[in-house]
Amino acid sequence: DAGVTQSPTHLIKTRGQQVTLRCSPKSGHDTVSWYQQALGQGPQFIFQYYEEEERQRGNFPDRFSGHQFPNYSSELNVNALLLGDSALYLCASSFGDRDYQPQHFGDGTRLSIL
Amino acid sequence: AQSVTQLGSHVSVSEGALVLLRCNYSSSVPPYLFWYVQYPNQGLQLLLKYTTGATLVKGINGFEAEFKKSETSFHLTKPSAHMSDAAEYFCAVSEFIIQGAQKLVFGQGTRLTINP
Repeated sequence: DAGVTQSPTHLIKTRGQQVTLRCSPKSGHDTVSWYQQALGQGPQFIFQYYEEEERQRGNFPDRFSGHQFPNYSSELNVNALLLGDSALYLCASSFGDRDYQPQHFGDGTRLSIL
Repeated sequence: AQSVTQLGSHVSVSEGALVLLRCNYSSSVPPYLFWYVQYPNQGLQLLLKYTTGATLVKGINGFEAEFKKSETSFHLTKPSAHMSDAAEYFCAVSEFIIQGAQKLVFGQGTRLTINP
């Protein structure tokens, strides 16, 4: 039973560039959430996708955007990268209509901005 | 909006000693509460969850937590620490977006160190 998989594991970019991170949910899950974890901090909610639509967004600028595909996989795009975007980006999956089910996390993508 | 406070950013115990990691939450509705563990260079692994029912919740690796509504707390304990327990621990509360949808609000984390 494959868990949540994320790619790439590490990425180095420079300021002003754009980046795309990818996530495949756990088998059977249909909802994907993205979180940003800065060094020494707890994860912060970016947004959640369900049925290929953004269901909720956290306090992140429009430079952060996403997409969900018919197979439930998801992408996180960040434009005009800033030094402050350096963080571990975590993807979590869950069942969309079962509010008591926990979210399952991938190992994350470590993004470094130079 | 919900919030989580973890008391103590760093806790150090001896191997075989009791582990106690503190978590207090703020929620306007009955909360769903979670503890996750993060090992170096890894994502988050669910330790245990509280949704409804029994207030003492048992999780993996010998951990348990007790939901105390009157104290708005959900502290994590383990009777006897093992070296393999060294990791970062996060307490989280569900914030419901719409029916059936939730997002997690995390505390800042507690780094647990085990001394031999």
